[in-house]
Amino acid sequence: NAGVTQTPKFQVLKTGQSMTLQCAQDMNHEYMSWYRQDPGMGLRLIHYSVGAGITDQGEVPNGYNVSRSTTEDFPLRLLSAAPSQTSVYFCASSYSGQRYNEQFFGPGTRLTVL
Amino acid sequence: AQSVTQLGSHVSVSEGALVLLRCNYSSSVPPYLFWYVQYPNQGLQLLLKYTSAATLVKGINGFEAEFKKSETSFHLTKPSAHMSDAAEYFCAVSGGSQGNLIFGKGTKLSVKP
Repeated sequence: NAGVTQTPKFQVLKTGQSMTLQCAQDMNHEYMSWYRQDPGMGLRLIHYSVGAGITDQGEVPNGYNVSRSTTEDFPLRLLSAAPSQTSVYFCASSYSGQRYNEQFFGPGTRLTVL
Repeated sequence: AQSVTQLGSHVSVSEGALVLLRCNYSSSVPPYLFWYVQYPNQGLQLLLKYTSAATLVKGINGFEAEFKKSETSFHLTKPSAHMSDAAEYFCAVSGGSQGNLIFGKGTKLSVKP
């Protein structure tokens, strides 16, 4: 199993550009999520999904869109990038949305917005 | 609502010394608690988790944590630090009904030779 994969690893955008961060998992997990990591802030939840066709907002959803058309994929879209979105983005998945389930994390995408 | 506080953004120990990383939580429901480790330029890896089965939880790489309800704490310990333990450590509580994780701000562990 590849686990959770994310592409690209690095990305530089200009303010106002759009892009999609890709996330895929091959563990047949129902629950998937996106976090952003900023220095001294820990990880904060952006959006999450408890199954195909079901998504919801986390703590910091503004400026981001998600969709979940398949169990395997959970892309994160930045519609109009802003410097405040410079961050490291992590995708994670777990077997289900039960509170006791471990989440498995991808390697991250480091995004810089100029 | 749930929250996590990690005391000390940086901790430095000598190789062979005790590692103690502090985590206090707040939860309106019985908590599920996790410790994750992040090595430089990598994703997060689970060290251990508390799911109410036992208050002393053993994890990978010789780490363990003890759940103390009266102190609302879940501190991470390791008897003898190795150079390879240098990393950032995150405590998290599972919040809400969907299993979303609420993270502390992290503690960066340095190990001196």
